[in-house]
Amino acid sequence: QVQLQESGPGLVKPSETLSLTCTVSGASISNMNYYWGWVRQPPGMGLEWIGNVHYSGSTYYNPSLSSRVSISIDTSENQFSLQLTSVTASDTAVYYCARRTTPFDYWGQGTLVTVSA
Amino acid sequence: QPVLTQPPSVSGAPGQRVTISCTGSGSNIGAGYDVHWHQQLPGAAPKLLIYGNNNRPSGVPDRFSGSKSGTSASLAITGLQAEDEADYYCQSYDSSLSGVLFGGGTKVTVL
Repeated sequence: QVQLQESGPGLVKPSETLSLTCTVSGASISNMNYYWGWVRQPPGMGLEWIGNVHYSGSTYYNPSLSSRVSISIDTSENQFSLQLTSVTASDTAVYYCARRTTPFDYWGQGTLVTVSA
Repeated sequence: QPVLTQPPSVSGAPGQRVTISCTGSGSNIGAGYDVHWHQQLPGAAPKLLIYGNNNRPSGVPDRFSGSKSGTSASLAITGLQAEDEADYYCQSYDSSLSGVLFGGGTKVTVL
């Protein structure tokens, strides 16, 4: 059974960097058939794709966030991570990690990150 | 900026059939990219409901079906049940974005 679990601070100050990690179990993050991605959902709003990473190190980012986003992969820990710099209140959202074949087929439970002083 | 347009809400009585549209453009659905659908129950993470336009993952009831034509796709729920009350999102790929695109979501209410 594939499972993904997000972890990281639930509160980040404005202008600082949001950092989250996704731990994967039940699947190898090194499998070349998968991409690993981040999706966020502001309170009461819809889903927004942030970006994907492949075990080869290739990354793909939403152009609206690309200047502030970095996604990396750690095959030794079967984890991948998100960094979002210079956050503002508009970055407050539930952040989901997910596995992507073509659809996102497995999702983590999500973690709420609030940007506030 | 590419978008996938969904109606904000649809409703139906138990047992009825409802459909949700997802309208895109020539850089996404119209370019031949597959459409997928996700169900998000209240307070929960999204869950894959339909993949590759009209395929159901194991465990998804056959009350749910998908279709695609031209620059649009649709999700149909037949025999609507109270447990189907949720938000539904379409997902595709967009070549101008070079990435994943989600629709704005549709809230299904069972009357």
